[in-house]
Amino acid sequence: GEDVEQSLFLSVREGDSSVINCTYTDSSSTYLYWYKQEPGAGLQLLTYIFSNMDMKQDQRLTVLLNKKDKHLSLRIADTQTGDSAIYFCAEAGGATNKLIFGTGTLLAVQP
Amino acid sequence: EAQVTQNPRYLITVTGKKLTVTCSQNMNHEYMSWYRQDPGLGLRQIYYSMNVEVTDKGDVPEGYKVSRKEKRNFPLILESPSPNQTSLYFCASSPTLAGAPDTQYFGPGTRLTVL
Repeated sequence: GEDVEQSLFLSVREGDSSVINCTYTDSSSTYLYWYKQEPGAGLQLLTYIFSNMDMKQDQRLTVLLNKKDKHLSLRIADTQTGDSAIYFCAEAGGATNKLIFGTGTLLAVQP
Repeated sequence: EAQVTQNPRYLITVTGKKLTVTCSQNMNHEYMSWYRQDPGLGLRQIYYSMNVEVTDKGDVPEGYKVSRKEKRNFPLILESPSPNQTSLYFCASSPTLAGAPDTQYFGPGTRLTVL
């Protein structure tokens, strides 16, 4: 069935790079997404990648997609304290193309 | 400003007392959905609606009802809330199905506690 998995927690120091990983199961997904949820807030679409791409760069964010291994990662360069949040990966799949979310990774940035 | 609004933002209630969480969008979107967020489980879809009077179950519909009488509103109804429905609820909307990458808007969330 459909399943998206992430590690639950990542701690980095300010200025370091963060890498958040995600594995998914639905190979028919057209898009894969990264959402950010700051404390007490809703979800903000951070970036996305089309399934026929391997990499997408957007300022400090780099998304890598390995379709063979069904592995998605989000790299945040020069991580700042304002990047502390929960990050969700998601795929759009199935007959209704609904969003299927991972469990979320809590990123804690230490000053 | 394009947005999805939810009310209330916080609600504490007791088992069995019917409640409704409202969701409204001002973007003329056809597709709306409800998710619940629980620690360690991510977001799971409760119900979705492809257009007015068209609704269908998501992954965790038990104990919930929805209606879509007009395009802008998609209320979530808990006829007899139970403690296992204590959660953070998000409403979302998009012009069509959720495949388009930059058009899924989320509401701010409703934190519900059922005692």
